[in-house]
Amino acid sequence: RKEVEQDPGPFNVPEGATVAFNCTYSNSASQSFFWYRQDCRKEPKLLMSVYSSGNEDGRFTAQLNRASQYISLLIRDSKLSDSATYLCVVTGYSGGGADGLTFGKGTHLIIQP
Amino acid sequence: DTAVSQTPKYLVTQMGNDKSIKCEQNLGHDTMYWYKQDSKKFLKIMFSYNNKELIINETVPNRFSPKSPDKAHLNLHINSLELGDSAVYFCASSRGRGLFFGSGTQLSVL
Repeated sequence: RKEVEQDPGPFNVPEGATVAFNCTYSNSASQSFFWYRQDCRKEPKLLMSVYSSGNEDGRFTAQLNRASQYISLLIRDSKLSDSATYLCVVTGYSGGGADGLTFGKGTHLIIQP
Repeated sequence: DTAVSQTPKYLVTQMGNDKSIKCEQNLGHDTMYWYKQDSKKFLKIMFSYNNKELIINETVPNRFSPKSPDKAHLNLHINSLELGDSAVYFCASSRGRGLFFGSGTQLSVL
């Protein structure tokens, strides 16, 4: 089983719709979880951290399910500018720092007008 | 003003050559990294340095040698370039949670 798995997509979604995708991880001792966004030919940028209680940032909601070992990202009222690749990132058992970060291969999202 | 800057942005070279990519961060972070993103867009860590000391060294050919003269700089030197080295190389830094990436260096080996 791969360490961090994501559905590569692409997810084609009409503007204004709600879209959600998941990411599963294999290391039950993983400490920290993040979603990154990567636009075409650009560097990845931190979108949001994922907390155990779930967290929301505007139209974006992240959830963590430790029992089933997955995290999710929900985007409401999707905009054309949300089109990007969303990378799931999980850290290993290394003291809470950024060491041992493992990236998923990303989910490609295309918002259509 | 750029937080993590790497140069050059594009690097086109012949097989067998030696090349370097430079990276600097002005965020005061203790940890710096090199990542490789291949044609399938998979982002994989190569090296991690913490305060100039090597922390992570993934399975990378020894043709790749990182150098950290101080904690704000982490350069990557590549000897005897091969076709399979063609990829985008990202430098990154962190202090605890989250990574800040440079804009990437697209390396094309002909």
